[in-house]
Amino acid sequence: DAMVIQNPRYQVTQFGKPVTLSCSQTLNHNVMYWYQQKSSQAPKLLFHYYDKDFNNEADTPDNFQSRRPNTSFCFLDIRSPGLGDAAMYLCATSRVGTANTEAFFGQGTRLTVV
Amino acid sequence: SQQGEEDPQALSIQEGENATMNCSYKTSINNLQWYRQNSGRGLVHLILIRSNEREKHSGRLRVTLDTSKKSSSLLITASRAADTASYFCATVLSTDSWGKLQFGAGTQVVVTP
Repeated sequence: DAMVIQNPRYQVTQFGKPVTLSCSQTLNHNVMYWYQQKSSQAPKLLFHYYDKDFNNEADTPDNFQSRRPNTSFCFLDIRSPGLGDAAMYLCATSRVGTANTEAFFGQGTRLTVV
Repeated sequence: SQQGEEDPQALSIQEGENATMNCSYKTSINNLQWYRQNSGRGLVHLILIRSNEREKHSGRLRVTLDTSKKSSSLLITASRAADTASYFCATVLSTDSWGKLQFGAGTQVVVTP
């Protein structure tokens, strides 16, 4: 049973053309995260939501925005993708208010910028 | 800055051998977790060890945690070709309430039949 679903799996976008990646979850988890993972590197947290409360990491570029219209869905918007934004984007969820819990990841969306 | 550092960066072993990888971190943690990532896929949670625990087992996996040395190790016993993947340690800081994971750079493990 798919629990965290990311669409699409592969996304090609043009330099500077806005792109949206989507994530949905069936776990009813209150916390959702977006991570960026460049080739052969560690995943890096961009931001997270607790319910509808948005929390940006200090070094996340302004080019990245996010929306969470309801518990199940979360979107990552890249306003003007640059070549340096090519990466795997990973969505994850976890239970509310409990730090001692695992995160559930989607399969990721691999973004190519041409 | 990256919280976790892993070594080795890459490990190549034969089926049936054990694989050990290590993770070090810098600041006080709530827990430490290990994840596996097959090439081009998402991360799969393997095991979580709390800061007050020293060792945990799950199937062929054994994880140790030494908070005095700020280090952890993951042992995969009797490895299989299907264990070929990248393995990441990730910490949740003691100051964090949201389960935000700070990942190490990962160890790429190749198991040959």
